Amino acid sequence: DGGITQSPKYLFRKEGQNVTLSCEQNLNHDAMYWYRQDPGQGLRLIYYSQIVNDFQKGDIAEGYSVSREKKESFPLTVTSAQKNPTAFYLCASRVQGADNGYTFGSGTRLTVV
Amino acid sequence: QKEVEQNSGPLSVPEGAIASLNCTYSDRGSQSFFWYRQYSGKSPELIMSIYSNGDKEDGRFTAQLNKASQYVSLLIRDSQPSDSATYLCAGSNYQLIWGAGTKLIIKP
Repeated sequence: DGGITQSPKYLFRKEGQNVTLSCEQNLNHDAMYWYRQDPGQGLRLIYYSQIVNDFQKGDIAEGYSVSREKKESFPLTVTSAQKNPTAFYLCASRVQGADNGYTFGSGTRLTVV
Repeated sequence: QKEVEQNSGPLSVPEGAIASLNCTYSDRGSQSFFWYRQYSGKSPELIMSIYSNGDKEDGRFTAQLNKASQYVSLLIRDSQPSDSATYLCAGSNYQLIWGAGTKLIIKP
């Protein structure tokens, strides 16, 4: 079945540590997105990529980094510069240029310990 | 600033009644609109999309779009306790612009 796989489901980060969240899709979608969701809040865009080897900052990119070396993969690194990283992280994708909705992965819940 | 506005709720509706969720948007360039359902602790799932003025029905769900007034709504008929969730509205103009969501509670 086609879909988006995020891993791990739960992640714990120590102060000052970088962690990487995985996002893999087999939908052959061009565009991929990373969102952050805080309790009771909406989705905030961190980074997005419309094509391999290219990505753009979203509204809250500070303290995060991404790469897009393969069409299927769009990993997100939460760096030590992100001072309040505890949140629910969602990866999404869609066919570039198509005016349709996004498909979401199941999410990663990151907690600072 | 392009925005999508939703009442955060909670909206409480008796089981079997019609739940009405509303959304307004500021970007007149938005052409398509989407309703997502998100259960607590889970990722959003797409339940309805609408691209033109008027109504679109799918089972118990009806999406309504009025581009002149810049609002979108979602009606859920015969509401069930399993419909209790947060409903996110999004408008598309190259990228999706998200509302913060309305929490819906269906009371048995």
